[in-house]
Amino acid sequence: DTGVSQNPRHKITKRGQNVTFRCDPISEHNRLYWYRQTLGQGPEFLTYFQNEAQLEKSRLLSDRFSAERPKGSFSTLEIQRTEQGDSAMYLCASSFNRDTEAFFGQGTRLTVV
Amino acid sequence: AQTVTQSQPEMSVQEAETVTLSCTYDTSENNYYLFWYKQPPSRQMILVIRQEAYKQQNATENRFSVNFQKAAKSFSLKISDSQLGDTAMYFCAFMSFGNEKLTFGTGTRLTIIP
Repeated sequence: DTGVSQNPRHKITKRGQNVTFRCDPISEHNRLYWYRQTLGQGPEFLTYFQNEAQLEKSRLLSDRFSAERPKGSFSTLEIQRTEQGDSAMYLCASSFNRDTEAFFGQGTRLTVV
Repeated sequence: AQTVTQSQPEMSVQEAETVTLSCTYDTSENNYYLFWYKQPPSRQMILVIRQEAYKQQNATENRFSVNFQKAAKSFSLKISDSQLGDTAMYFCAFMSFGNEKLTFGTGTRLTIIP
């Protein structure tokens, strides 16, 4: 296992298009987290899953955002009708439980033009 | 809501020297975790050190140690014998016992000068 994997690493899209990102967590980890990081800022929490259940969503996650984790394995984050303000690095992390270390992926950098 | 403040946007230090990164936080909770994460230029966030608020003893991991002052809500990171590989963004983060989200500061860009 090589850690948390995120694809694609980079995505350029035109405003108004839909995009989907994928995160593959470390295999035995039942927690999966999504964060967004804009330039010059720390990551901001978006949502998290325990197995397939989405347990918390940030107010940052507008109706245009949706995340899924079917069967408690990989997760997808979809952004519909992208806006320039969505340009950011989207980070995924996973952990075995809430008391253990969260491991981060390298992120997907989204640029909306 | 919790907030985390890192007042040093950038720092630089000569290789082998010691450097301290500052972090303060605001919370009304009594039980929580504090973290320092390192984000090298490759962008993958790595956990450096973790502190449980109920533990009075400061956490230490090899060259990395913290000074946790609960009453002052201060959580600084000391890097001893700094190495070129320590060059990175460093983020201080908070997590309450009651939930699972990390609240990050804005980061400190640390450069180790050869």
